[in-house]
Amino acid sequence: GESVGLHLPTLSVQEGDNSIINCAYSNSASDYFIWYKQESGKGPQFIIDIRSNMDKRQGQRVTVLLNKTVKHLSLQIAATQPGDSAVYFCAENFLGGGFKTIFGAGTRLFVKA
Amino acid sequence: DTEVTQTPKHLVMGMTNKKSLKCEQHMGHRAMYWYKQKAKKPPELMFVYSYEKLSINESVPSRFSPECPNSSLLNLHLHALQPEDSALYLCASSQEMDTRNTEAFFGQGTRLTVV
Repeated sequence: GESVGLHLPTLSVQEGDNSIINCAYSNSASDYFIWYKQESGKGPQFIIDIRSNMDKRQGQRVTVLLNKTVKHLSLQIAATQPGDSAVYFCAENFLGGGFKTIFGAGTRLFVKA
Repeated sequence: DTEVTQTPKHLVMGMTNKKSLKCEQHMGHRAMYWYKQKAKKPPELMFVYSYEKLSINESVPSRFSPECPNSSLLNLHLHALQPEDSALYLCASSQEMDTRNTEAFFGQGTRLTVV
């Protein structure tokens, strides 16, 4: 299940199931979005990106959906594996005195074997 | 080489110390970034360098002083820090700052503890 509160939102899924991680972005002028994966003790790692002129992009086992009307992004991971356990951040690039990459709050994904 | 290398990995410093964090990339990227990340929080942008010039300072206190000696190196000089500055400091680089459709590559970070 998914929980939101004072702690990092957490999603627990069974190995082999599909995962959906959601993100609300803040700036309607943002035109490029990125999902990053951060494992414990490591820096964020690029997973997939999408431009604002698209509403869906697929990679290997991952799909990103963009809904600009409600400023919402989602990351779908197919056949989730234990190695997918990490914190996932969405990030948006927008012009604010120069192009900036700003991160959303993050979701911790636990994959149960 | 698609790595961003940060040193040291861990740093403990007193509030009166002066120390520096170092970051290096050899991908030919012309934009480099410093982020600060507290536990269970997203990375927060501190500074952006574009073509070795400071482009963005997100109202960071002057006890943090960035430096970009050349296109491959980025330093963060620390002086008179407070315990609340303890965090993971992440360096990142991207092809160019003015190219909106470009992802940033991150280093492993320096875990800083101020005592």
